[in-house]
Amino acid sequence: AQTVTQSQPEMSVQEAETVTLSCTYDTSESDYYLFWYKQPPSRQMILVIRQEAYKQQNATENRFSVNFQKAAKSFSLKISDSQLGDAAMYFCAYSGIWYNFGNEKLTFGTGTRLTIIP
Amino acid sequence: DAGITQSPRHKVTETGTPVTLRCHQTENHRYMYWYRQDPGHGLRLIHYSYGVKDTDKGEVSDGYSVSRSKTEDFLLTLESATSSQTSVYFCAISDGRDRWDPLDGYTFGSGTRLTVV
Repeated sequence: AQTVTQSQPEMSVQEAETVTLSCTYDTSESDYYLFWYKQPPSRQMILVIRQEAYKQQNATENRFSVNFQKAAKSFSLKISDSQLGDAAMYFCAYSGIWYNFGNEKLTFGTGTRLTIIP
Repeated sequence: DAGITQSPRHKVTETGTPVTLRCHQTENHRYMYWYRQDPGHGLRLIHYSYGVKDTDKGEVSDGYSVSRSKTEDFLLTLESATSSQTSVYFCAISDGRDRWDPLDGYTFGSGTRLTVV
């Protein structure tokens, strides 16, 4: 079974600074997808960014980027120019490739609570 | 994104009573999921469904059952609620209509906060 580990329960960053959230995972598959979700106090789950394992290029979405290290099974999220609205719980998630039966689900890490200091 | 509604939004129940949570979607998407969220555990999959009457267990299925008699509704039942089932429950749907592809994305409901006293 796949596992996702987030070793930082809490992080804080000064507004406008850069912060990196860590995620490692374990899988025997060669093709898969990785995601970062944001959960603000409203409890809404918001997709921040995703990465296909077969793509070597790291995904980027505006101020959010990832550092995907496939060999190390590491998938960290970098938030640049942190804003007060970035304060939330962040979850790393894994999904297997679609053509393997039983892969049709997301496996989540335990989350990292990010605080933005004004 | 398809509309997804969870009900109730909050519920307090007594130990030993059965409880049913409802997830309703509006656009006939095939895959639906129930997760629970607990501090220190993230979101853990309880059950999921890949079609009417087609369901499978997740990693924390003990004490829960599900039913899907219509495409739009996915019910989660706690057969005899225990305090360990106090949690926030999320329903999710895969945004692909007929087949599953993680790149289609997922839409999550707003969650149900269940307290078992």
